[in-house]
Amino acid sequence: KAGVTQTPRYLIKTRGQQVTLSCSPISGHRSVSWYQQTPGQGLQFLFEYFSETQRNKGNFPGRFSGRQFSNSRSEMNVSTLELGDSALYLCASSLWTGIAYEQYFGPGTRLTVT
Amino acid sequence: GQQLNQSPQSMFIQEGEDVSMNCTSSSIFNTWLWYKQDPGEGPVLLIALYKAGELTSNGRLTAQFGITRKDSFLNISASIPSDVGIYFCAGQGETSGSRLTFGEGTQLTVNP
Repeated sequence: KAGVTQTPRYLIKTRGQQVTLSCSPISGHRSVSWYQQTPGQGLQFLFEYFSETQRNKGNFPGRFSGRQFSNSRSEMNVSTLELGDSALYLCASSLWTGIAYEQYFGPGTRLTVT
Repeated sequence: GQQLNQSPQSMFIQEGEDVSMNCTSSSIFNTWLWYKQDPGEGPVLLIALYKAGELTSNGRLTAQFGITRKDSFLNISASIPSDVGIYFCAGQGETSGSRLTFGEGTQLTVNP
């Protein structure tokens, strides 16, 4: 089974621009979550989508948004980029085991804002 | 936001040694997960724990879900050079869906 795929892997943007990142979950997984990873803050939860609906949201400004399509693929968008948005953005797809969710991560998109 | 306290922050060991790291939280979690992350890659799931007191092994890795549901530890036995990386604990609450709260990570270095 193919793993979680994220595109692009690397991105360089200028402050003030906007960016869209894409994630394809593992086949059959309906939940997709996004995380931001930085050296200073570690791994921080952005939001979770399940069946095209946002089910959970972290403590990030409204510049960060996302959506999920009917095939479970997800995109996240960051508008009006700031230097502090430079980070590794990780997507995770989740499998409900009957007891809990197991999350499997993609390789990430490294975003650099200059 | 809520954070797990993971220790130690870093470890330098010799090949063949055993390693232990742990996570504590002020909140209760229903699930504990342990991940390993290599440079430039996403975290890889190593072990998932679902019940308080549960002890689970995956090869040379052993992890336990604390009785109080506020802590977990991971042991690696007979370390090898490919164990190098950053290990993260993560907790999942009862009402948080699939949302994970992560520890700060333990950077492991194994000297051959």
